[in-house]
Amino acid sequence: KNEVEQSPQNLTAQEGEFITINCSYSVGISALHWLQQHPGGGIVSLFMLSSGKKKHGRLIATINIQEKHSSLHITASHPRDSAVYICAPRTSGTYKYIFGTGTRLKVLA
Amino acid sequence: NAGVTQTPKFQVLKTGQSMTLQCAQDMNHNSMYWYRQDPGMGLRLIYYSASEGTTDKGEVPNGYNVSRLNKREFSLRLESAAPSQTSVYFCASSDPGQGVNQPQHFGDGTRLSIL
Repeated sequence: KNEVEQSPQNLTAQEGEFITINCSYSVGISALHWLQQHPGGGIVSLFMLSSGKKKHGRLIATINIQEKHSSLHITASHPRDSAVYICAPRTSGTYKYIFGTGTRLKVLA
Repeated sequence: NAGVTQTPKFQVLKTGQSMTLQCAQDMNHNSMYWYRQDPGMGLRLIYYSASEGTTDKGEVPNGYNVSRLNKREFSLRLESAAPSQTSVYFCASSDPGQGVNQPQHFGDGTRLSIL
């Protein structure tokens, strides 16, 4: 069983829809990273969080450390949000990250 | 700000050839990482360096060596390239010592093909 599970693996949405991507992990962590990777490959940091909720523009990330679960929400989705979203917890007591396989999001105009 | 710079961006090698992937960061970060990304799999850690002068193996270190030349630079060397090392390689840096929520910053990647 993978230590990090993301769902769904693939998601197609219509422009304007509210989107949720889920991440569950089985190891102890100190923080969790949400990343975005566009076609063409560059990886961009969206959020790093260790508790509660963070918001940046139309993006919201939440984490529940006790339940070993995090979610990434996109409000009023737009075609430019089309990308792969990757969850990457940082394991407790280390500087190492483990990565989910990503959620491939396509937003249609 | 350049952030994390990787060179080269693309490379084609023949089996058995050697090469070094270069990575440099200008953010004064202590920790640096090398990952590989293969289709259908999450990024996997090859080696990391928690601070200048230290390096540690990650999940998939076989066939690779690293050098933390100074605080800025962390290179990855393939001594005898194999087709199984065809992948996209990413370098990243961070400074978790500055706070638990310090993120990783990634380079643009090196697309490496071994024939």
